[in-house]
Amino acid sequence: DQQVKQNSPSLSVQEGRISILNCDYTNSMFDYFLWYKKYPAEGPTFLISISSIKDKNEDGRFTVFLNKSAKHLSLHIVPSQPGDSAVYFCAAIITGANSKLTFGKGITLSVRP
Amino acid sequence: DAGVIQSPRHEVTEMGQEVTLRCKPISGHDYLFWYRQTMMRGLELLIYFNNNVPIDDSGMPEDRFSAKMPNASFSTLKIQPSEPRDSAVYFCASSLGAGASGETQYFGPGTRLLVL
Repeated sequence: DQQVKQNSPSLSVQEGRISILNCDYTNSMFDYFLWYKKYPAEGPTFLISISSIKDKNEDGRFTVFLNKSAKHLSLHIVPSQPGDSAVYFCAAIITGANSKLTFGKGITLSVRP
Repeated sequence: DAGVIQSPRHEVTEMGQEVTLRCKPISGHDYLFWYRQTMMRGLELLIYFNNNVPIDDSGMPEDRFSAKMPNASFSTLKIQPSEPRDSAVYFCASSLGAGASGETQYFGPGTRLLVL
């Protein structure tokens, strides 16, 4: 049973436009969410996170939005750049309970020049 | 720091053979995680250690898989005997502490395993 779901396996966006990557979760106990970015032949790297006490966190071109009532979060990349082409993983954790990150399957983002 | 180091980067073996994957975490990190990535299931946590002690191995698929962490700077994931369905990319990750500031995990480059 996938507790973190990334239902769209891929997304293609024109350079300069907005990329919106979606993620849904089922476990209401999750209270901290993270996005990781992965290039081919490399391990995932941390990108941005958000606590459940917030509904938005911004870092440069990257913004994560959290809608707790809908159990939904999204990652916005504005403007998108070709170097953003990668696999993006959504992850969630119950802080204080254990250190287990639960990951989604990932979304492959392609940014066309 | 060189980051999390994994070896080998690629492994091709035949069904039934023993496979050992190795990981050196970032110095000072007290948590170590082993993940498996497949197309079907994405990134799955297999097992994690805290201060060299296995905390949760509920993700280990079956008894053919075992993991050890004999000291703070080294861990192994062993598959014996290996099967074609074990083919995947195996990642090791480490982190400093737990809690909201500690969940950022640093991943190694992964070991791509192919079992023929």
